[in-house]
Amino acid sequence: RKEVEQDPGPFNVPEGATVAFNCTYSNSASQSFFWYRQDCRKEPKLLMSVYSSGNEDGRFTAQLNRASQYISLLIRDSKLSDSATYLCVVNPGSARQLTFGSGTQLTVLP
Amino acid sequence: GAVVSQHPSRVICKSGTSVKIECRSLDFQATTMFWYRQFPKKSLMLMATSNEGSKATYEQGVEKDKFLINHASLTLSTLTVTSAHPEDSSFYICSASIPGTAREQFFGPGTRLTVL
Repeated sequence: RKEVEQDPGPFNVPEGATVAFNCTYSNSASQSFFWYRQDCRKEPKLLMSVYSSGNEDGRFTAQLNRASQYISLLIRDSKLSDSATYLCVVNPGSARQLTFGSGTQLTVLP
Repeated sequence: GAVVSQHPSRVICKSGTSVKIECRSLDFQATTMFWYRQFPKKSLMLMATSNEGSKATYEQGVEKDKFLINHASLTLSTLTVTSAHPEDSSFYICSASIPGTAREQFFGPGTRLTVL
């Protein structure tokens, strides 16, 4: 089993749609969680951290369920500029190393 | 956020040559930097953890004699791909986090290596 699993997609949605990505992780001792965004041929950039209480940043909402070892990202009112690969990232707790999911590709269509 | 640079951004070399990639933290000091490799349509895979003033820690399956890492200062880590072969062609990305802060890592812009 992979340490961090994501649905690879691709997700093709129209502008304005709401889209949700899911992610599961295998290490129950994992300490911190993130969603990163990676554009084609670019480096990953932090989109948002994920907190146990859930958190929202504009059109983006992240949720964490420690009991189910499940993380989600919800994007509302999708924009063309949201097209990218979204990486679920987990810190298993050792020396600040990060474990990346394989990413979910999103394309927002006009 | 903090800034991490990489140089070069792109390199094409012949098989058998060595290639050095630099990773710099521009506005903070990084005792630890990380080197990742990403193949097309694949996730980032951690290759090694670079520790300032000591030996790097390599992930399982990564040859330390092939991928030489040097972290000689608090702002610079280098990755040298020795005797490069076409299968080493990949996107190499470094990252660093600010010591004593939250766990976010800041990534360099990556180096695209093509070995002919």
